[in-house]
Amino acid sequence: AQSVTQPDIHITVSEGASLELRCNYSYGATPYLFWYVQSPGQGLQLLLKYFSGDTLVQGIKGFEAEFKRSQSSFNLRKPSVHWSDAAEYFCAVGARSGNTGKLIFGQGTTLQVKP
Amino acid sequence: DVKVTQSSRYLVKRTGEKVFLECVQDMDHENMFWYRQDPGLGLRLIYFSYDVKMKEKGDIPEGYSVSREKKERFSLILESASTNQTSMYLCASSPPGAPFTDTQYFGPGTRLTVL
Repeated sequence: AQSVTQPDIHITVSEGASLELRCNYSYGATPYLFWYVQSPGQGLQLLLKYFSGDTLVQGIKGFEAEFKRSQSSFNLRKPSVHWSDAAEYFCAVGARSGNTGKLIFGQGTTLQVKP
Repeated sequence: DVKVTQSSRYLVKRTGEKVFLECVQDMDHENMFWYRQDPGLGLRLIYFSYDVKMKEKGDIPEGYSVSREKKERFSLILESASTNQTSMYLCASSPPGAPFTDTQYFGPGTRLTVL
């Protein structure tokens, strides 16, 4: 069955430190992969997406993610975290099925940033 | 910019009431979605629509119905609200094409409490 796992429910990092949020997926075909961010009281905003091509994807707000097919992973990274990055982060995989399909979300990782 | 608006940010209803959640998008998107967000469960798809008057069940359609009479508007209906429907409800839309392989644009969410 298709699934997305974000192993870390909660992560705390110091401002200025590097960040990596993990995402593992289970999907038989080539996946369409997304990272979304949800700030408190807001809807979800797309950070970046991977469909094909270069496996290192650049997104907004200085984030990047690397697709590793052999590890079924799509980890999100940022070299230097800012206090405004505190939010909940969701990894998702889009699975096509004919004219329809499904966007499967992970459980989310809450990022706390220490001053 | 794509804008997805939801009729209420916070809503309090009583058990057994009929509840309408409204969502409007201004980008002429064919695809629209309703999700439910609960802590530790990520987002779960309730219903989606890929055209006016067309709808498909998602993962958790029980207790919900939807209506799409106009392209820009997608309504979620709780026929008889129950306490286990207390949750955050998120609406999203996406451009034409395979509905789960392109970026989805989210509204700010409606936090519904059923007493």
